[in-house]
Order: sequence, then C-alpha cells, then structure tokens
Amino acid sequence: KAGVTQTPRYLIKTRGQQVTLSCSPISGHRSVSWYQQTPGQGLQFLFEYFSETQRNKGNFPGRFSGRQFSNSRSEMNVSTLELGDSALYLCASSFLQGAKNIQYFGAGTRLSVL
Amino acid sequence: EDKVVQSPLSLVVHEGDTVTLNCSYEVTNFRSLLWYKQEKKAPTFLFMLTSSGIEKKSGRLSSILDNKELFSILNITATQTGDSAVYLCVVTGNQFYFGTGTSLTVIP
Repeated sequence: KAGVTQTPRYLIKTRGQQVTLSCSPISGHRSVSWYQQTPGQGLQFLFEYFSETQRNKGNFPGRFSGRQFSNSRSEMNVSTLELGDSALYLCASSFLQGAKNIQYFGAGTRLSVL
Repeated sequence: EDKVVQSPLSLVVHEGDTVTLNCSYEVTNFRSLLWYKQEKKAPTFLFMLTSSGIEKKSGRLSSILDNKELFSILNITATQTGDSAVYLCVVTGNQFYFGTGTSLTVIP
C-alpha cells in the first residue's frame, strides 16, 4: 500500500506570495491532518479534515487554510507568506477521525520564505 | 492549557547503553498516547498506549503509560547508531498534541 504522499518536497517563495501544498493520504484513509514543524516550536497542529469537512483547527491565523476533496486528497494554502512561515509542513492520514487512530505521516514539504 | 512535555530535550549516549525518554502531559479528554521516531524524514509510528500499566514491546524498545500520574516512558536497551533520531510523544484528546521531542544521538 502506498504511503502518504506530499508534493512538492521543497519550495522556495518570497514574502507576500501564496503557496499551495498537496497531500495524498493512504488509500482508504479519510482523515487528513496538517502540521507545521519548526526547530523551536516542534510540531504544531494546523487542522484536520474528514470527509471533506474541517473537523478541528489549531491556533493559526486565517492565512492558513485547507480543503479536502472527495477522494480524500487534501491541499493546504498559505497566503501572504511571512518569513516565519518557513518550516516543514507535514501531512498525516488515518482511517478514522480523531483520537485512538494511528496517524501515518508523509515526508513533508519544506517551505523556505525569503 | 493542554500540553505535552518531553524530557530530556537531547541525549547523547554510547552504543550499548540503555536510555529512558520521558513524556508528561495534561490533556483534556485523554484518549491515547503515541510514540513516533523521526529521522530526517516523516515520523514513523512506534507505539500507541491507551491503558495505564500496559507495557508495549517491540524488540529493544518498550513503553509504558501511567494515566493517573499522566506520564509515559520509552525505553531503548542496547542502543545502536540507527536509534539516533528525534522521538516524539503525541497525546490525543480533542485533537493531537505533540511534545517538542527528545533528540537522541548514539555514538559508536
């Protein structure tokens, strides 16, 4: 079974631009969560989607948004990029929504904002 | 405020040593605690614990949960250089809460 696939793997943008990251979950998984990982902050939860609906949201500004398609693939968008948005963005999928589910992670998209 | 605290933040040991990694938490509506290993790529799943006192084992790794005292430990015996990684503790409540991780370096 293929794992969680994130594209692109690396991205360089400048301040003020916007970016869209993509995540394809493991086949059959309906929940997709997004995380931001930085050296100082560790992994921070962005949001979780299940059956095309956002179920949970972390404490990030409205510049961070996402969506999920009917095939469970998900996209995350960040508008008006800031230098502090430079991070590794990880996507994780699980079969069911919420807790008591093991999340499987993609390799991440490393975003650098110049 | 829900939080997960891991200690130590980093650890350097020699091959063959035994290490204990700690994870304490305060999470509303606790459901489970998970351990992940992260090398220079995606975190990989190690264990999920839901009940206090139940020890999970996989080869040289083992973990136990105490959900009265709100902590878990991850033990690695006879460490190898391939164990070098960041070990993440994740607690699930209303959402997933991550600790900042323990960075383990195993020296030959």
